[in-house]
This record gives sequence, structure tokens and C-alpha cells, in this order.
Amino acid sequence: AQTVTQSQPEMSVQEAETVTLSCTYDTSESNYYLFWYKQPPSRQMILVIRQEAYKQQNATENRFSVNFQKAAKSFSLKISDSQLGDTAMYFCASAQGAQKLVFGQGTRLTINP
Amino acid sequence: DSGVTQTPKHLITATGQRVTLRCSPRSGDLSVYWYQQSLDQGLQFLIQYYNGEERAKGNILERFSAQQFPDLHSELNLSSLELGDSALYFCASSVASPGETQYFGPGTRLLVL
Repeated sequence: AQTVTQSQPEMSVQEAETVTLSCTYDTSESNYYLFWYKQPPSRQMILVIRQEAYKQQNATENRFSVNFQKAAKSFSLKISDSQLGDTAMYFCASAQGAQKLVFGQGTRLTINP
Repeated sequence: DSGVTQTPKHLITATGQRVTLRCSPRSGDLSVYWYQQSLDQGLQFLIQYYNGEERAKGNILERFSAQQFPDLHSELNLSSLELGDSALYFCASSVASPGETQYFGPGTRLLVL
């Protein structure tokens, strides 16, 4: 069974700072995918970034990047130059193939002006 | 806008009642996933359909059922509703290739009184 753990229930940083959200996962599969989703106050689930486990290179999307440590089963999200609009719940998730997403408990991130 | 639509946006009903939630996937997506987000259980996978056929089942109660129609829209039926069924119900869709992103609809917020 897959499990995803986010150990930081809440985080708060000042605008323009860099913040890193932690995520660890467990899976018995060799072929899996990892995702970070953002849920702003509107409650919409928005994909932030995805990582294919077989790729060594860490995924990057503009100000968002991941640190994927496969051996440690760690998948952290770094947000650079944080903006007020980054305030949201962030969920780490894993999937095997085209199957269900398994989500962590979420980290509530607040960006302060 | 993810391209996934869900209706209704909000639903208030009484215990013991039955409701139907509707989802239209993104154009071209064959797979539909239903998730439940509640305060105590977090985000949980309920069920997946692919091109009209049930593909995977998660923590879906026997009082809940779903189907996917020939035009690929999906409905989630919740019956004999209990207070604990109050939650945000998301539909997501994807092309169902391994690792492909699941795009989420805006959700249906269900309140059972």
C-alpha cells in the first residue's frame, strides 16, 4: 500500500522568502509518480508540479522546484520568491501508473506581507 | 479553469436523503476519479471509471455508488445520508496513461443536516 506523510501541518513565511515543504512517501512499486497540488481558499485543487520516479532530474516549474531523494523516499517542494498568492494548502500525492492519487495530510502555508 | 465541471456547487440536504453529484471530464479524458475531502479523513479516493467501466474502488461506502455514461460524464450517488457524509466531493479526470496528471473539478460541497 502507498502512504504519503507531510509532517508540517502549518508553515508561515514572509513574502519574497524561500520556503520548503516536506513530504515522505512509501511504496513497494518501482514505477510511480509524485505530485504537489495546491488548494487555495477557493478549494480548487491545482497541480503545482509532478515528478516521474524513474527520472533522476528534479522537476522545476518557474518558482517551484522539488528535491526528489528516491532512496530516502523524500519529495520536498521549494517555493522561491514566495508571493501572497502562494497562500494555500499544499498536498503531496503519489500514484502508481494511472491509478488513484494517495494524498498526504497537507501543509497550510501562509505568506505574510 | 481545469476543464472539469461539477454540479451542483453546493448541496444542503437532510439525513436519510439521497443525492446525485455530476461530473463532466475534460475533453478527451477517458478516466474519471471521485475523491472525498473531509476534515477528519483528509482527501480519500472513492472510485475510478475508465471509458464507462469501473476500474478501481477505494474507501467507498456501500451506500455510495457511481457510474460513467457513454458520453463519459459521471455521477456519484449518495444515499441514506448521514451527518458524517458532509464533505467536499471532487471529481478528477485524466487520459489515464501512467503518470498523467489528474485535473480536478471545483468540487461539490455537501452539507447533511
